[in-house]
Amino acid sequence: DTAVSQTPKYLVTQMGNDKSIKCEQNLGHDTMYWYKQDSKKFLKIMFSYNNKELIINETVPNRFSPKSPDKAHLNLHINSLELGDSAVYFCASSQEAGEETQYFGPGTRLLVL
Amino acid sequence: QQQVKQSPQSLIVQKGGISIINCAYENTAFDYFPWYQQFPGKGPALLIAIRPDVSEKKEGRFTISFNKSAKQFSLHIMDSQPGDSATYFCAASADNYGQNFVFGPGTRLSVLP
Repeated sequence: DTAVSQTPKYLVTQMGNDKSIKCEQNLGHDTMYWYKQDSKKFLKIMFSYNNKELIINETVPNRFSPKSPDKAHLNLHINSLELGDSAVYFCASSQEAGEETQYFGPGTRLLVL
Repeated sequence: QQQVKQSPQSLIVQKGGISIINCAYENTAFDYFPWYQQFPGKGPALLIAIRPDVSEKKEGRFTISFNKSAKQFSLHIMDSQPGDSATYFCAASADNYGQNFVFGPGTRLSVLP
């Protein structure tokens, strides 16, 4: 069983569209994260979230919003997609906030045309 | 203050050789330093990690050396194998950053057979 899964694996869309990426973890973890990896492979955290607290990286545009229907899911909604949003988006989870080991999903490759 | 620098950007090593990747940080509040390994098309996975109370940690062929006064740490891969070819990220976290990870820019390692 995949510990952290993401869908879709690939997403190609037009500029200006709204899209969502789904993430699910079956590890029973309390904290989930979204990262963006750009074309130069640089990994940057976008959000960390548990039941109590959402920590937003201040550089993330408000077109990006995480939504968590339950503890095992953290979806990423992106409004008005821009060319610069093209990247690989990784979901991750850890037992608790500040827990040392984060488990990453396989990534969603987003291409905005 | 939150930046983690990493070098080299890419590294080519012969099979059986030693791969060395270096990282440096500025924020003295960082208290946890993991290394993540990422294969093409996959999410990063924790390889090995260290805290500042020790100067070295070894797990199999992988060793982290940590120099607190210089604010530097490095990953050594002994007897490098073609299967070690991947991108390696150093990272750091601190309580005052919500224990979120700040990743280095990554090093692409190629081990030649």
